[in-house]
Amino acid sequence: DTAVSQTPKYLVTQMGNDKSIKCEQNLGHDTMYWYKQDSKKFLKIMFSYNNKELIINETVPNRFSPKSPDKAHLNLHINSLELGDSAVYFCASSLRTGAYGYTFGSGTRLTVV
Amino acid sequence: QKEVEQNSGPLSVPEGAIASLNCTYSDRVSQSFFWYRQYSGKSPELIMSIYSNGDKEDGRFTAQLNKASQYVSLLIRDSQPSDSATYLCAVNGPAGKSTFGDGTTLTVKP
Repeated sequence: DTAVSQTPKYLVTQMGNDKSIKCEQNLGHDTMYWYKQDSKKFLKIMFSYNNKELIINETVPNRFSPKSPDKAHLNLHINSLELGDSAVYFCASSLRTGAYGYTFGSGTRLTVV
Repeated sequence: QKEVEQNSGPLSVPEGAIASLNCTYSDRVSQSFFWYRQYSGKSPELIMSIYSNGDKEDGRFTAQLNKASQYVSLLIRDSQPSDSATYLCAVNGPAGKSTFGDGTTLTVKP
């Protein structure tokens, strides 16, 4: 009975390819996020959606495009993958925007070769 | 200056000791503060949240907040080997975005 589930768990792909990561939460939370964790374990926010509306869009290359079809789902599509995109991508959700902690998904380890 | 800074670590304590993890933040309008635990190869897990000055205790964990000093800490009493993990401090601003520190890796030696 996973709270925040991401697929796939591992993704190995060649430079220049396009790939998607999917995230779903069954917690009834309003807000969802994408974070990138680099090799030094630093977590950096990429995007945030509140009830399907984009509310945070950090300085991220245009090759990254999030999409939220409903408040329980948040997907991340990456075009023209580069070596530097290799990282662990975490989806997370919170009850609402504001003073709430996050529930994280298990992460997607992306390796670009 | 980083928005959220933590002890660089790694931190090593013997089993049964108190582990003290520290975090400072730069944005004075920060409103809520969190500690996450991340085991190697796993996702971060929320273990403590604190919103007002003072101490908040939950089992063996105590979070301390001092907004005037822009400082938040986590104490782990009676440390166990299972507490060995990376601890992430996170700070939320008014927009609700969590900014994370680099993490402090704790090792509890039996």
